[in-house]
Formats: sequence, C-alpha cells, structure tokens
Amino acid sequence: EAGVTQFPSHSVIEKGQTVTLRCDPISGHDNLYWYRRVMGKEIKFLLHFVKESKQDESGMPNNRFLAERTGGTYSTLKVQPAELEDSGVYFCASRTDRRPGELFFGEGSRLTVL
Amino acid sequence: RKEVEQDPGPFNVPEGATVAFNCTYSNSASQSFFWYRQDCRKEPKLLMSVYSSGNEDGRFTAQLNRASQYISLLIRDSKLSDSATYLCVVNALNYGGSQGNLIFGKGTKLSVKP
Repeated sequence: EAGVTQFPSHSVIEKGQTVTLRCDPISGHDNLYWYRRVMGKEIKFLLHFVKESKQDESGMPNNRFLAERTGGTYSTLKVQPAELEDSGVYFCASRTDRRPGELFFGEGSRLTVL
Repeated sequence: RKEVEQDPGPFNVPEGATVAFNCTYSNSASQSFFWYRQDCRKEPKLLMSVYSSGNEDGRFTAQLNRASQYISLLIRDSKLSDSATYLCVVNALNYGGSQGNLIFGKGTKLSVKP
C-alpha cells in the first residue's frame, strides 16, 4: 500500500512568489492534515480536513496560506505571496477513523524562500 | 510556557544502555499522549501511544503521570537503529483542537554508539 506522498520534495522560490504543495493521502483515509516545521522549532499543526471539509484550521498562520481538498482526495497548500518566514518543511499526514492517534506522515516538502 | 517540553538532548549512549526521555505538558485537560520517532530528514512515525496505566512494547516503556503532567519513555538495551529524534506528542482535542490536531515537543535526539 502506498504511503502519503508529497510533491515537490524541495522548492526554492523568491519572496513574493507563489508555491503550491501537493499531498496524496493513503487511499481511504478521510482525515488529512497539514503540519509545518520551521528551522529550530517544533512541528506545528496547520489544518485538518475530513474528506473535503475543513474540520480545524486554527493553525493556519495568515491569509497567505490557502488549503484545498476538492473531491476529498488529494490536497494542495498554496502560499501566496511567500515570505522569508514561510521557509520550513511542510508535512502532510493522513489517518483512518479507527486509530485517531496514529497519523501517517509524508516525507515533507521543504520550502526555501529567498 | 511551551505546551509540550522535552529534554533538550542530545543523548549519546553506548549500545546496550538504558536511556530515559522525559516530557511535560501544560494543559491538564489533555487526554491522549504519544511518542513519535523521527529519523534524520525523514517523516515522524508513531512509536507508541501512552496509556494511563503505563505500557510496554518490547524494549520500550511509556509512563504517564497525570498529577505531574509528565510523560516518559524508557528504552532498554539500546540498539544502533534506535538513533533518531524522539518526539513527545499531545492531542489538542480536549482544548479546542480537532482529533489529530497534535501538539509536538521539539524532540530529543538520541545517538547510540557502538
């Protein structure tokens, strides 16, 4: 069974540009999450989808970040316009309803904003 | 005060050693606790859940002290393959977050040497 896949693995952009990160969760996982780790800090929750609906977006830092999950399958996280402080590793995770504490993470998308 | 605090590390131990990681959490309403493991430049993976009565999985033992808001992880007979960063994690469900909105500590790095 394929795990959570994320694309791109690494993106380098300039301040003010736009980047879109994609996440494909494990097939059948209704719950999808975005997390972020900036340099030297802990991993922080961004938001949670259940199917196509946003269940919890309390961690989204500001309105430059837009997450979508049309059709309840893959998800995208767009940063527009990117700022220097957006640099970090963006992790996507998914889970089933059966084991709420076990999130399966993707390998992350490393974003560098210059 | 941070929501989840861990020993800063790094812990450098010889093979076969017993090592203990500690973690404290700030919100007494927390109900679900986990240890995740993260290898260098990889994604976090669930190591084990932490139950009120304490639980063991092979060489790994997790303990919870609700009165002190303290979680621990004990690794016995350390192996080279145990080298990783160990993340203490609390579910934010009981204080406003959704299921799977996890609060991570910064992690403690373990290095097991031959």
